[in-house]
Amino acid sequence: AQSVTQLDSQVPVFEEAPVELRCNYSSSVSVYLFWYVQYPNQGLQLLLKYLSGSTLVKGINGFEAEFNKSQTSFHLRKPSVHISDTAEYFCAVSEGFGNEKLTFGTGTRLTIIP
Amino acid sequence: NAGVTQTPKFRVLKTGQSMTLLCAQDMNHEYMYWYRQDPGMGLRLIHYSVGEGTTAKGEVPDGYNVSRLKKQNFLLGLESAAPSQTSVYFCASGRQGSEKLFFGSGTQLSVL
Repeated sequence: AQSVTQLDSQVPVFEEAPVELRCNYSSSVSVYLFWYVQYPNQGLQLLLKYLSGSTLVKGINGFEAEFNKSQTSFHLRKPSVHISDTAEYFCAVSEGFGNEKLTFGTGTRLTIIP
Repeated sequence: NAGVTQTPKFRVLKTGQSMTLLCAQDMNHEYMYWYRQDPGMGLRLIHYSVGEGTTAKGEVPDGYNVSRLKKQNFLLGLESAAPSQTSVYFCASGRQGSEKLFFGSGTQLSVL
């Protein structure tokens, strides 16, 4: 069975500093990987996804993630964060095509310090 | 651009009461989902629907029922609410063949 682990529940970062949010997954088959973002008092929005092809995936708002099959990781990065990036970030994994197969991580709360 | 709309946004129930959460989407999506979000547990799928008139169980279906009588609406019912159902509930929809989900803004439910 698939599972996903977000190692950090909270990450404080100074404005304009780089950030990396960690995500590791466990699966016995090929997977699809996603990052969703939840801004305060809103629903989740898709940030980026990896289905196949290039292991470096670029998303909205300057975020990118790299799929590393050998380390079973899909870490999210941004070179310079802004106050508006304050949100909760969820990594998700799916072993097949179909959103009913999605397993979400427990989330990482990113706090930007002015 | 309404997208996915959930009503109500907040609700407080007493143990044993019943209620229905409504989800409406205006994007003509085939697929609709109900999730619950609990601290430290991420989102868990309750029920989902792949089309009008069809529903299926997700990871945590017990204590909930759903109906999809119209393509644009997906209802989540609690027949006899329990404190363990205190949570934030999210509805989502998606297009057939697409991995992208569109979420509503959530319903905060407290069961006393």
